[in-house]
Amino acid sequence: ILNVEQSPQSLHVQEGDSTNFTCSFPSSNFYALHWYRWETAKSPEALFVMTLNGDEKKKGRISATLNTKEGYSYLYIKGSQPEDSATYLCAFPVRDNYGQNFVFGPGTRLSVLP
Amino acid sequence: EAQVTQNPRYLITVTGKKLTVTCSQNMNHEYMSWYRQDPGLGLRQIYYSMNVEVTDKGDVPEGYKVSRKEKRNFPLILESPSPNQTSLYFCASSLNFGASHVDGYTFGSGTRLTVV
Repeated sequence: ILNVEQSPQSLHVQEGDSTNFTCSFPSSNFYALHWYRWETAKSPEALFVMTLNGDEKKKGRISATLNTKEGYSYLYIKGSQPEDSATYLCAFPVRDNYGQNFVFGPGTRLSVLP
Repeated sequence: EAQVTQNPRYLITVTGKKLTVTCSQNMNHEYMSWYRQDPGLGLRQIYYSMNVEVTDKGDVPEGYKVSRKEKRNFPLILESPSPNQTSLYFCASSLNFGASHVDGYTFGSGTRLTVV
């Protein structure tokens, strides 16, 4: 069974702090890596899709990098704000003999304290 | 507005009483999928559909059925719900998963199901 891991499981930071967390995935049969932001009581929303080794994407204060050779992606948040509090999910699309699926990591739950 | 509409948001039911959670998308997406979210576990795929009349099992299909008679609708059916199906369920759609892995998901708003 393919495993996508995320660390840390949860994170508490003060408003204004910068933070980062990791998504680890199998480096073989790489197609793309997706990041989602999931606020409590809402549904996950797409943040980034990353496809190329060395890719760096940015949306406001949030950015992500990708290393397909070693199988990891970092998500960075600069100057965290309370509205950044959410669970951040990464997802790895898979096509195999059993079907097609996104395998999701367990998420990193970020709490930004005012 | 492009969206995935999922109903109901909350449902409490008794063991054995058949129920259906509806899912509808207005984006002409080919790929649709159902997930369940349980504490400490990532989103796990129940069933997916590549297109009309094409459905297949995901990682945790036991106890569930789906159908895809029209492109826009992908209902999840629990013929005889049991307490271990108490969970948060999400429907999601993607433009064309088969052809491109860069098409991400649009998620529905979720259904919190409790089976007593």
